[in-house]
Amino acid sequence: NAGVTQTPKFQVLKTGQSMTLQCAQDMNHEYMSWYRQDPGMGLRLIHYSVGAGITDQGEVPNGYNVSRSTTEDFPLRLLSAAPSQTSVYFCASSYSFWGTGELFFGEGSRLTVL
Amino acid sequence: AQSVTQPDIHITVSEGASLELRCNYSYGATPYLFWYVQSPGQGLQLLLKYFSGDTLVQGIKGFEAEFKRSQSSFNLRKPSVHWSDAAEYFCAVGATNTGNQFYFGTGTSLTVIP
Repeated sequence: NAGVTQTPKFQVLKTGQSMTLQCAQDMNHEYMSWYRQDPGMGLRLIHYSVGAGITDQGEVPNGYNVSRSTTEDFPLRLLSAAPSQTSVYFCASSYSFWGTGELFFGEGSRLTVL
Repeated sequence: AQSVTQPDIHITVSEGASLELRCNYSYGATPYLFWYVQSPGQGLQLLLKYFSGDTLVQGIKGFEAEFKRSQSSFNLRKPSVHWSDAAEYFCAVGATNTGNQFYFGTGTSLTVIP
C-alpha cells in the first residue's frame, strides 16, 4: 500500500525561485495537511484541508500556497523561496478532521534554499 | 492556547534499561493524545493513542503510555529498550475544540548505547 507519497524527496532552490511539493494519498482521507520540521521546533502546521475545495491556514502559512482539487492530492507551493524556508516538509493525512484520528505521514521532502 | 511540552530534548539509555519520555499538555477539553516515532530520514509513525477509557494504553513495539489528567501528562514508557528504538519521539494532542488541528511537542531524541 502506497499510503502518503511525497515528491521530490530532495530539492535545492535559489532565493526567489518557486516550486511545488507534491503530496498524494490513496486512503480516501478527507483531512490532509502540510508540516515543516525544523531543529528544536518540532512540527509546525503550514496549511490543511478538510476536503476537496476546502483549505485553511495553520500556524506558519506565510510564503506558502495550497489547493485541493481532488481528495487524493494536496500540493504545497512555495511562491518565492527564501532561505528561511529551508526545512523538511511532511505531508500527512487522516480519516478524521477533528483531531481524533491518527495522522499518516509521507517520508518527507528536504528543501534547501540558497 | 493548546500546547505540548516535551521537557527532555535528548535522552541516552543503555540497551535493556527502562525508558520514560515525558509529555505535558495544556488543553481545555478532553484531549486526544498521541505518541509518534520518527526514525532517521523517515516520516512519523504512530506508536499509540489515547482517546478515553483505560488510562494505560498499549502501543506497538512494546511501548505503553499513561494518561494522568491531574498532572496533564501522557508519559511514554518501555520496560526494556532495544538498540532499534533509537529515534525521535513526538507527543501530540488533537485539538477537537478548535477543529482540524494537531499540536506537536518539540520532540525527544533517544540514543541507545550497547
